[in-house]
Amino acid sequence: GAVVSQHPSWVICKSGTSVKIECRSLDFQATTMFWYRQFPKQSLMLMATSNEGSKATYEQGVEKDKFLINHASLTLSTLTVTSAHPEDSSFYICSAREGKPQHFGDGTRLSIL
Amino acid sequence: TQLLEQSPQFLSIQEGENLTVYCNSSSVFSSLQWYRQEPGEGPVLLVTVVTGGEVKKLKRLTFQFGDARKDSSLHITAAQPGDTGLYLCAGRSLEGAQKLVFGQGTRLTINP
Repeated sequence: GAVVSQHPSWVICKSGTSVKIECRSLDFQATTMFWYRQFPKQSLMLMATSNEGSKATYEQGVEKDKFLINHASLTLSTLTVTSAHPEDSSFYICSAREGKPQHFGDGTRLSIL
Repeated sequence: TQLLEQSPQFLSIQEGENLTVYCNSSSVFSSLQWYRQEPGEGPVLLVTVVTGGEVKKLKRLTFQFGDARKDSSLHITAAQPGDTGLYLCAGRSLEGAQKLVFGQGTRLTINP
């Protein structure tokens, strides 16, 4: 079946560092990719929707200058957390669509010290 | 903003008991999905319901979509410890982007 690969699965870095997370659709072309954030014991909150070749659409309250999203190809989207701070520590999950089904990656645990 | 209210948020029961998780909204969804998520992993799709009143069964799990496509339920019969996990409902909006909106989740613990 369809697989979405996320990398890295876990990252720890110092405050002020920028971190890039990759999301790849391995066996299908994803015209739309979604980025979610999940805090401990909470549900997934949609951060942004990105379509290949165009600018991402951010949800209300999500800073587009802090969370840079690039969807340059039909199989790759990246999320860069710029100048990360401890409050950005969270579980980031990407999702990709090929038509109706939406497939999820295994998430990236980001810890900012 | 479309919201999905999921209840209960926490449930701990004994092996062999039955349980129902509810997912309610004031909004209509084009479809509704149920996911199960293990710690440190992404959610895994269990089922998608599309038609109002639709009922789908997956072994001991029964999923129902409300007639008005605003609510859904997940019923587990004879729960097993292996059913332990976070269950999430998610509705797909009718808007152009068709975003998937998640409920708060139900953390289910089945005690042996």
